Amino acid sequence: DGGITQSPKYLFRKEGQNVTLSCEQNLNHDAMYWYRQDPGQGLRLIYYSQIVNDFQKGDIAEGYSVSREKKESFPLTVTSAQKNPTAFYLCASSIEVGTGYEKLFFGSGTQLSVL
Amino acid sequence: GQNIDQPTEMTATEGAIVQINCTYQTSGFNGLFWYQQHAGEAPTFLSYNVLDGLEEKGRFSSFLSRSKGYSYLLLKELQMKDSASYLCALKDSNYQLIWGAGTKLIIKP
Repeated sequence: DGGITQSPKYLFRKEGQNVTLSCEQNLNHDAMYWYRQDPGQGLRLIYYSQIVNDFQKGDIAEGYSVSREKKESFPLTVTSAQKNPTAFYLCASSIEVGTGYEKLFFGSGTQLSVL
Repeated sequence: GQNIDQPTEMTATEGAIVQINCTYQTSGFNGLFWYQQHAGEAPTFLSYNVLDGLEEKGRFSSFLSRSKGYSYLLLKELQMKDSASYLCALKDSNYQLIWGAGTKLIIKP
């Protein structure tokens, strides 16, 4: 079955540590996204990528970094510069970006907490 | 600016009907989405409206009025498995998604 796989499900970060969240899709989608979800707030876009080797900052990119070396993979690194990283992180993909109707397919999320 | 409002929480009874409202203000509009999200899980697509009117899909229907900046999701014959958060999101003039905070729906027997 096609889909998006995020790992790990739960992740703990120590002070000053960088951590990487994995996102893999086998839907052959060009576009991939990272969102952050906090209680009582809407999803906020961190980064998105329309094609391999290209990505764009979203609304809250500070303290995060991404890469898109393969179409299937879009890992997110939460750096030590992100002072409030505790949140639920969602990876998503769509066929393409910016054409009106394209629904997002989401992974099952990673809950990141600070030790 | 751009803004989306949804009720934080709603309660309904199994077998009943519930309407979840979403109001928005935006400078440009390219469609409105509804997603369902069970706690700790991935959001899943429910509906998309770009023209005014009602879109029906089984037990779920979605309505849009662009002139009023208003949409609703109507759930009929409620089942316990419908207990979830319902996320409203609009696509702005730059085709970027703006998300509401979600409505947590609690279904009681």
